[in-house]
Amino acid sequence: GNSVTQMEGPVTLSEEAFLTINCTYTATGYPSLFWYVQYPGEGLQLLLKATKADDKGSNKGFEATYRKETTSFHLEKGSVQVSDSAVYFCALSGGGSEKLVFGKGTKLTVNP
Amino acid sequence: GAVVSQHPSRVICKSGTSVKIECRSLDFQATTMFWYRQFPKQSLMLMATSNEGSKATYEQGVEKDKFLINHASLTLSTLTVTSAHPEDSSFYICSARERSSGGALAKNIQYFGAGTRLSVL
Repeated sequence: GNSVTQMEGPVTLSEEAFLTINCTYTATGYPSLFWYVQYPGEGLQLLLKATKADDKGSNKGFEATYRKETTSFHLEKGSVQVSDSAVYFCALSGGGSEKLVFGKGTKLTVNP
Repeated sequence: GAVVSQHPSRVICKSGTSVKIECRSLDFQATTMFWYRQFPKQSLMLMATSNEGSKATYEQGVEKDKFLINHASLTLSTLTVTSAHPEDSSFYICSARERSSGGALAKNIQYFGAGTRLSVL
């Protein structure tokens, strides 16, 4: 079945540091890939997405590229801010299923 | 962008009572809504898939008689936790998938509500 493996946290960075959160997946066919962000006490917000190989999703300075050859969708940001502190979830859908499959989430804390 | 409203955001109830949580898509039609449960510091666990006008599909291990789901319209789904017990205390989150033509499953963008924190005393 489909599955998502993402880097376990927590991750603690200083403001303006470079961020990478690794995400790899297992799926049949050509899944769509997503990053969701959850701020404390809130639901999930779609951060970015990519629906086919080599697509790059980007939003709010975050980027992730759909790499079929390495089955990866790593999240990156060049300079994090304190307001980026949240839990980040990698997810996929497709491969014959409509369901979203989530990774376990990575908690990011950015210190001033 | 697409907005999903979930209500209430927090509810505290006594053991044995029932609690209803509403999930509304405010600016789009959602043929499919999903209900998740999230335990502290863990990922989301899909409980059920709710399709407008039909019975919900429950994931393995989820009691359908305990978690009643109704999806009466294209913009509203409800989850009722019946005879709630302390072990039902959790964060419940709904999501809605926008109805679209052609390739909808391939896109499968789900928009999430803000969640409901249920505490059963």
